[in-house]
Amino acid sequence: GIQVEQSPPDLILQEGANSTLRCNFSDSVNNLQWFHQNPWGQLINLFYIPSGTKQNGRLSATTVATERYSLLYISSSQTTDSGVYFCAVDTLRKGNTPLVFGKGTRLSVIA
Amino acid sequence: KAGVTQTPRYLIKTRGQQVTLSCSPISGHRSVSWYQQTPGQGLQFLFEYFSETQRNKGNFPGRFSGRQFSNSRSEMNVSTLELGDSALYLCASSLDPNSPLHFGNGTRLTVT
Repeated sequence: GIQVEQSPPDLILQEGANSTLRCNFSDSVNNLQWFHQNPWGQLINLFYIPSGTKQNGRLSATTVATERYSLLYISSSQTTDSGVYFCAVDTLRKGNTPLVFGKGTRLSVIA
Repeated sequence: KAGVTQTPRYLIKTRGQQVTLSCSPISGHRSVSWYQQTPGQGLQFLFEYFSETQRNKGNFPGRFSGRQFSNSRSEMNVSTLELGDSALYLCASSLDPNSPLHFGNGTRLTVT
C-alpha cells in the first residue's frame, strides 16, 4: 500500500518561531489531510489538501502532488500548537483505499 | 452542530471478554471510519462504512468487527480481548469517503 513518511519526528520550538513540517508519500494521492492531535488526544482536521495551497490563520499547507509531498507551515507558534501533527493520504490507484496515516511530527512549543 | 460522539470514553475489561464501542457521526455524515491508536503502531485503520456498507477493512483479526446502521451510527465489537488490544479507538465521520474526516474524542480501552 501507499507509504507515508513525516519529518521531522520531533520538533521543539520557542514561542513565536516558525516551522515547516513535511509529508512524503509513495504514490499518487486522491486525498490528503493534515490533523493536529492535542495533548488530550483530540484529533482536529486542519486541512483537506490533495493539491495546491490553503491558509487558515497562522497555518498554511501546500501539496505538490506531482512531486509527492506536502508541507505544513506554522507561523508565530504558540504553546497551544503543541501536540502531534499527522498527515494522512489515500490513493485510487488500486480501487477504494482507506486513509493511511503517517507516524506524525511531535511538536513542543515552549514559552 | 454536534461533533462525532463516541461512547464510552473509558473502558476496562479483562482478557477473554468482549466489548462494543459506539460512534454517532456528525449529522448528515454518511461515512464512518474506525482507527486504533497505540504508542508503538500509531494510527491503524480498522474499518470504513458508507451508507451501511463496509467499504474497506484493515489488517486486523476476525475478532474485530463492525457495522453501520441506517441512521449512520456505527458500532465496533472486539471479542476474546487480548492485552494487546489496549488502545485508543477513534471514530471519524465525513460526508462521504472523499471529504474531510472529523474525529471523535475516542474510547480508551484497557485490557487487564
